[in-house]
Amino acid sequence: GNSVTQMEGPVTLSEEAFLTINCTYTATGYPSLFWYVQYPGEGLQLLLKATKADDKGSNKGFEATYRKETTSFHLEKGSVQVSDSAVYFCALSDPGNNAGNMLTFGGGTRLMVKP
Amino acid sequence: KAGVTQTPRYLIKTRGQQVTLSCSPISGHRSVSWYQQTPGQGLQFLFEYFSETQRNKGNFPGRFSGRQFSNSRSEMNVSTLELGDSALYLCASSLVSDRGFYEQYFGPGTRLTVT
Repeated sequence: GNSVTQMEGPVTLSEEAFLTINCTYTATGYPSLFWYVQYPGEGLQLLLKATKADDKGSNKGFEATYRKETTSFHLEKGSVQVSDSAVYFCALSDPGNNAGNMLTFGGGTRLMVKP
Repeated sequence: KAGVTQTPRYLIKTRGQQVTLSCSPISGHRSVSWYQQTPGQGLQFLFEYFSETQRNKGNFPGRFSGRQFSNSRSEMNVSTLELGDSALYLCASSLVSDRGFYEQYFGPGTRLTVT
């Protein structure tokens, strides 16, 4: 079956530091990959996505590249802000595996950015 | 355009009772998915409904059920509540997809506490 593994947190950084959150996946088909962010007390927001190998998703300074050879989709940001403090989830969808819209999520990584 | 709405936002129930949660998708979205979020198990897919039919189901006991109405609004029901059912229940809606994946938009969730 499909699975997503991401680094455990919390990750604590100072403002303007470089961020990397690792994510690797296992899938039987050709999945699409996503990063979602969850702020305290809220639902999930799609941060970025990539639908095929070598695609780079980017949004709000965050980037992630779909690496089929290493089955990875690491999230990066060059300079984090206090407002980036949240929980980040890596996820995949494998519709070719007859899974419809089902998302498989990683365990989440809490990011705390200190001023 | 209004986002995904979920009612109620907070709910406290007693073990053995049943509960019904409601989700109104974004206008025009016909696919509705439900997820359970707990600190121990993370985010887990419950089921997806499309055109009033359950299209996919996760690995949850039969106590968890759902339905979708002709206006795409969805409800999920949990019968004979157990303490372990305490969780944040998230609803997500998306456009129709027979193949491929359309972005899922999440609601703020319903926080269920079972005592």
